[in-house]
Amino acid sequence: DTAVSQTPKYLVTQMGNDKSIKCEQNLGHDTMYWYKQDSKKFLKIMFSYNNKELIINETVPNRFSPKSPDKAHLNLHINSLELGDSAVYFCASSQGGAGGETQYFGPGTRLLVL
Amino acid sequence: EDQVTQSPEALRLQEGESSSLNCSYTVSGLRGLFWYRQDPGKGPEFLFTLYSAGEEKEKERLKATLTKKESFLHITAPKPEDSATYLCAVVGGDGQNFVFGPGTRLSVLP
Repeated sequence: DTAVSQTPKYLVTQMGNDKSIKCEQNLGHDTMYWYKQDSKKFLKIMFSYNNKELIINETVPNRFSPKSPDKAHLNLHINSLELGDSAVYFCASSQGGAGGETQYFGPGTRLLVL
Repeated sequence: EDQVTQSPEALRLQEGESSSLNCSYTVSGLRGLFWYRQDPGKGPEFLFTLYSAGEEKEKERLKATLTKKESFLHITAPKPEDSATYLCAVVGGDGQNFVFGPGTRLSVLP
């Protein structure tokens, strides 16, 4: 009965490859997010998305793209992976998108680019 | 630009030794301040949401308070299972996006 789930849990790949991380939430929430947690443990927002609007953090390279097949899923596609993309990626969701709602996080996907 | 700092960076306590963690923030139009707990290898786990200065929330040994500039997470008589990284985040203005602080790594020794 996991609320926010991500697959895979671990991802090891070579530079230049294209990969995807999947996220699903069963909370009935309207808004989903992707965060990156780097080696210094800072959590930084990458995207927020509901069925009306995609908000992109302007510092995120356009090699990263979120894709949402439906309200319960938000996948993260990464093209031409680079060494600096190695990090833990967290998916989160919240009810509504007006701001200030509590976000619930998934367990994370640990990406290592060799 | 919204900013969050947390202190101390790391804190070691003996079991039963109460203390407080600080979260200082700069935000235009606070919509909410959030406390999370993160265990190694796991995602952040929600603890509290505070919306306005003067508000307080409690859960077991934890109590969160909020002023116009900072929030405190008070830990009363901590146990070893309280060991974790505690993260503070704010949402301000018309934004939906959380701005996280760097966290405080708490270790409670038996």
